[in-house]
Amino acid sequence: DQQVKQNSPSLSVQEGRISILNCDYTNSMFDYFLWYKKYPAEGPTFLISISSIKDKNEDGRFTVFLNKSAKHLSLHIVPSQPGDSAVYFCAASALGANNLFFGTGTRLTVIP
Amino acid sequence: DSGVTQTPKHLITATGQRVTLRCSPRSGDLSVYWYQQSLDQGLQFLIHYYNGEERAKGNILERFSAQQFPDLHSELNLSSLELGDSALYFCASSAQPDPNTEAFFGQGTRLTVV
Repeated sequence: DQQVKQNSPSLSVQEGRISILNCDYTNSMFDYFLWYKKYPAEGPTFLISISSIKDKNEDGRFTVFLNKSAKHLSLHIVPSQPGDSAVYFCAASALGANNLFFGTGTRLTVIP
Repeated sequence: DSGVTQTPKHLITATGQRVTLRCSPRSGDLSVYWYQQSLDQGLQFLIHYYNGEERAKGNILERFSAQQFPDLHSELNLSSLELGDSALYFCASSAQPDPNTEAFFGQGTRLTVV
């Protein structure tokens, strides 16, 4: 049972425009959410996170929005750059748990 | 370079065999996580160790086992291998036992069972 879902396997965006990657979750006990980015032949790298007590967290060009009532979060990248082309994984954890649940990833392609 | 080293990078073996995947965490990190990524799947959590102690188990098969040694490196043992065990196996490390702490991933071991 996939508790974290990324329903768009791929997304293409023009350089300079906004990229919006979406993530839905089913477990209402999740209280912390992370985004990881993965380039080919490399392991995932941490990008940004958000606690359930917030609805927005920003770090440079990256902003994560959390809508708890909809059990939905999104990652906005503005402006998108070709170097952002990668697979983006959403992950979630529940209070007191010792593991993360990952989505299946969205492959972002930024077209120069 | 994340500082996490996984060996081997690639492994091809036959069904029914046993393999050992090795992970050296970043210097100073006490937590080690193992994940499996099958084709078109997300990362499936297998097991978490902190300072030599098992902290959490995910969907890890009984044919799989792991341990973390006193020097903090970890090994994932996969036995009675089946075709469906073919996947990328990632190790990640972090300083704290909390999974919300940023984790650093190795490049992964690609296991192919033939």
